[in-house]
Amino acid sequence: EVQLVESGGGLVQPGGSLRLSCAASGFRFGSYDMTWVRQAPGKGLEWVSVISGGGDRIYYADSLKGRFTISRDNSKNTLHLQMNSLRVEDTAVYYCAKGLPQFAQLESWGQGTLVTVSS
Amino acid sequence: DIQMTQSPSSLSASVGDRVTISCRASQSISSYLNWYQQKPGKAPKLLIYAASSLQSGVPSRFSGSGSGTDFTLTISSLQPEDFATYYCQQSYSTLITFGQGTRLEIK
Repeated sequence: EVQLVESGGGLVQPGGSLRLSCAASGFRFGSYDMTWVRQAPGKGLEWVSVISGGGDRIYYADSLKGRFTISRDNSKNTLHLQMNSLRVEDTAVYYCAKGLPQFAQLESWGQGTLVTVSS
Repeated sequence: DIQMTQSPSSLSASVGDRVTISCRASQSISSYLNWYQQKPGKAPKLLIYAASSLQSGVPSRFSGSGSGTDFTLTISSLQPEDFATYYCQQSYSTLITFGQGTRLEIK
């Protein structure tokens, strides 16, 4: 059974940094693209970033303007999202998701971790 | 970026009704369109991929259609557990985008 468990969320001041992690199990982690999606309180889903199975292809939403960095450690079956220069508008639940090839459908999702940016 | 527009934004319906949700892309995306269901406090769940392929384990009352720029999610006979928010998502571009969501409420 696929399991994705996010961690690392919490309260941070504007301008601060946070590193999210997503622990994966139940599948061959290094063979799949992994994606971060966020959802601000009461709002819709917003795609954040994707990293290929081998980590050689990475894409970000234009709105992030270089503040976030996605990475993965296939030896530890773990996905990360380093978030710097955080803004109030980054407040959201952050989900990691496993993507499937060809149609990039997000087949499995974690339960999410809440990031709150506030002074 | 490819913009995805869903309609309606909200919808009231009764158990047993047939419901249709539309999703329009700002440019042609072929069949690179996926649908998700999200219930309050829960992660999204994949329903339909490649515009019309039913994800394993999803009830057959859910179906998807369309290609190019116009897509539809249909629920043939609403069940109580179907009241949720539905999102379309394009994967034609490497910069994935979601629709704004359609909230399906009980009438």
